[in-house]
Amino acid sequence: GEDVEQSLFLSVREGDSSVINCTYTDSSSTYLYWYKQEPGAGLQLLTYIFSNMDMKQDQRLTVLLNKKDKHLSLRIADTQTGDSAIYFCAERSEDNAGNMLTFGGGTRLMVKP
Amino acid sequence: EPEVTQTPSHQVTQMGQEVILRCVPISNHLYFYWYRQILGQKVEFLVSFYNNEISEKSEIFDDQFSVERPDGSNFTLKIRSTKLEDSAMYFCASGGTEYSPLHFGNGTRLTVT
Repeated sequence: GEDVEQSLFLSVREGDSSVINCTYTDSSSTYLYWYKQEPGAGLQLLTYIFSNMDMKQDQRLTVLLNKKDKHLSLRIADTQTGDSAIYFCAERSEDNAGNMLTFGGGTRLMVKP
Repeated sequence: EPEVTQTPSHQVTQMGQEVILRCVPISNHLYFYWYRQILGQKVEFLVSFYNNEISEKSEIFDDQFSVERPDGSNFTLKIRSTKLEDSAMYFCASGGTEYSPLHFGNGTRLTVT
């Protein structure tokens, strides 16, 4: 079955850029998503990219997709302490009906002042 | 901004008891989902629901689980006879179309003792 992997932890200083990486195995991915989870809260949709795109920018967020290497990244510019959270990558396969998403294990981002 | 709401935020139950987790999806959404996250593990798909019937379900979603949309606003997940291994965070999600990004609620933490 499909698999999505992320590194567990990332620590950056306030004002620096953060890059969170994700790899996936499914060749039939159609959409890839980034969700943010703050302590005690749900999964907040940050951004998503369609598989025929290689980049998407949304204010401080830049998503890069390398479909050949099945590698997705989320860059957060000018990282703030409020960005500290767990970030989940998720993919949707064209082999799956509807919105059955496969999630990575999440990357905990810690932003130091 | 409209959001998905889930109640209760935390439910403690004894093994063998029935539980019902409740969700109010975003009002104009038509596609509804349940996902769960066992502590320390990945977020996993349970079931999708559209037009008053299940459209997809995972292997996890066995006969102990059922979903219902009893009225125009609520979407419920029932676990008939809870087991210790059902302890997890349960997330409800909704989407406007089959291919829309999912919007998640804050989750219900279920603890089975």
